[in-house]
Amino acid sequence: SAVISQKPSRDICQRGTSLTIQCQVDSQVTMMFWYRQQPGQSLTLIATANQGSEATYESGFVIDKFPISRPNLTFSTLTVSNMSPEDSSIYLCSVATGDYGYTFGSGTRLTVV
Amino acid sequence: AQSVTQLGSHVSVSEGALVLLRCNYSSSVPPYLFWYVQYPNQGLQLLLKYTSAATLVKGINGFEAEFKKSETSFHLTKPSAHMSDAAEYFCAVSQSGGYQKVTFGIGTKLQVIP
Repeated sequence: SAVISQKPSRDICQRGTSLTIQCQVDSQVTMMFWYRQQPGQSLTLIATANQGSEATYESGFVIDKFPISRPNLTFSTLTVSNMSPEDSSIYLCSVATGDYGYTFGSGTRLTVV
Repeated sequence: AQSVTQLGSHVSVSEGALVLLRCNYSSSVPPYLFWYVQYPNQGLQLLLKYTSAATLVKGINGFEAEFKKSETSFHLTKPSAHMSDAAEYFCAVSQSGGYQKVTFGIGTKLQVIP
């Protein structure tokens, strides 16, 4: 199955700034997903990013806050914009594998102070 | 619409004892079901998945789960717990028929007592 490299693994950021998270896959994949895992909670899908089209955002998430790029079939970025302490979470990217499963990156642990 | 309910946010078992983590799902169409494990400070690792083949699914690390449509359940079991099984476990559901949105349960933290 695909191997995902996600960067950075963790960061501490000042409120009002932005952080861009990168997700690199070792093979070409059509569908990539971005999730948020708030402290003590489950994963929530932020958006689905398909190469060559605009990302599709879930209810409660907007492009101005979480812009996503998908320039090719092996790479995607998620930016968390104008951060507040409420954005402190783990952010994970995920790709669909060839057998109706999904592989996850190791996550980016974000703390906003 | 789809959802997952994991009964028990924390489960403790003795080393060598049976592990049973409960998951019930709701889906308006035939589902795909997954169990993922998350070790501290790591991402999610797929344990096993049900994609409408055999109802008893065997996964990695000795885990298995049985899809019971009549009970809308997909409970995770392991006959004998090991200390290394201590982690958080997530049940998840998606609609069948290709790649669809995955909805996760709230997770169950498994503690293994020596």
